[in-house]
Amino acid sequence: KAGVTQTPRYLIKTRGQQVTLSCSPISGHRSVSWYQQTPGQGLQFLFEYFSETQRNKGNFPGRFSGRQFSNSRSEMNVSTLELGDSALYLCASRQYGQGMDEQFFGPGTRLTVL
Amino acid sequence: DQQVKQNSPSLSVQEGRISILNCDYTNSMFDYFLWYKKYPAEGPTFLISISSIKDKNEDGRFTVFLNKSAKHLSLHIVPSQPGDSAVYFCAAYGGNKLVFGAGTILRVKS
Repeated sequence: KAGVTQTPRYLIKTRGQQVTLSCSPISGHRSVSWYQQTPGQGLQFLFEYFSETQRNKGNFPGRFSGRQFSNSRSEMNVSTLELGDSALYLCASRQYGQGMDEQFFGPGTRLTVL
Repeated sequence: DQQVKQNSPSLSVQEGRISILNCDYTNSMFDYFLWYKKYPAEGPTFLISISSIKDKNEDGRFTVFLNKSAKHLSLHIVPSQPGDSAVYFCAAYGGNKLVFGAGTILRVKS
């Protein structure tokens, strides 16, 4: 069974631009969560999607948005990029209702904002 | 405010010895705790967890201890191996959210 895949793996953008990141969950997993990892802050929860609906949201500004498609693939969008948005963005999938120990992470997308 | 804190950014241990990684939390609503391990260029992988109704959970070389009154948990790795060198994240679950600490870099020297 293939793991969680994220594309692209690396991305360089400039301030003010917008970016879209993609996540394909493990086959059969319908819940996708997104996290931002920065040095000193650990992983911070962005949002969780299930059945194309956002089920849960972290404390991030409205510039961060996401969506989920009918095949459970998810995209995350960040508009009007700021230098502080430079981070590793991780997505994780699980079967909805399963415990967090059944959540599997992708390798992440490294976003650099110049 | 950081609800989950890992106060040691890094830890260096000799191969064969015990590694102890610590984690503190502030929110009493957390009722499930997890440890993840992360290698460079890979996503975190689940290591071990503990429910708030327990004070210890063991899985092979890994043991997690929970002290609810102190809002403290620790991960013990015995014996430590060079392959254990990674970043370890503590996470706490409650209110439908998983909150992570900042991570501790563990280096096991051979």
